[in-house]
Amino acid sequence: ETGVTQSPTHLIKTRGQQVTLRCSSQSGHNTVSWYQQALGQGPQFIFQYYREEENGRGNFPPRFSGLQFPNYSSELNVNALELDDSALYLCASSAVGARKTQYFGPGTRLLVL
Amino acid sequence: RKEVEQDPGPFNVPEGATVAFNCTYSNSASQSFFWYRQDCRKEPKLLMSVYSSGNEDGRFTAQLNRASQYISLLIRDSKLSDSATYLCVVNKGERGGADGLTFGKGTHLIIQP
Repeated sequence: ETGVTQSPTHLIKTRGQQVTLRCSSQSGHNTVSWYQQALGQGPQFIFQYYREEENGRGNFPPRFSGLQFPNYSSELNVNALELDDSALYLCASSAVGARKTQYFGPGTRLLVL
Repeated sequence: RKEVEQDPGPFNVPEGATVAFNCTYSNSASQSFFWYRQDCRKEPKLLMSVYSSGNEDGRFTAQLNRASQYISLLIRDSKLSDSATYLCVVNKGERGGADGLTFGKGTHLIIQP
């Protein structure tokens, strides 16, 4: 196992609600990245946090936001949920740098009704 | 053109056979390359990094052709347990890797007894 944990494992929300997903990174890793994986697709990069700041972002609207804490754990917040937000949300931890391997947690499966 | 393109398959292969799949990437400045394996409803797990010189890990061989922007994975003596989706992954390396990993849609492999 990678040592990356995520909670909750599953979540059901209704359109318009807000959701917070949590991730604990692997020991020794200071960088956390979040991905969204829709059914039948590869994961899509949402954003990355390093030293408690967002240092990279994919093509996702501002209603997707996050936090990183001093212990390197992280949260993903999604406001004003839409049906298309239904997906597997994956957190990955790594050391900083382009060549550093990212290790994924088991994901949170979100269903928006 | 998609950033990372893979044949989605499925590839149906008899146990013991050799199977190969490829992917292409569009950004010639990409710095690091990986194959991840994803089992149904699970998180992606690193199978192997891919280097220009080619690399082998047991039954698995990965190759990178930077001139053609092409990555391959060869599986020899395939096992039933190799059945999974194989994700081709590129790190563009921009801004020290802060732009995250770019995934293909994945190639679905089914090993048949």
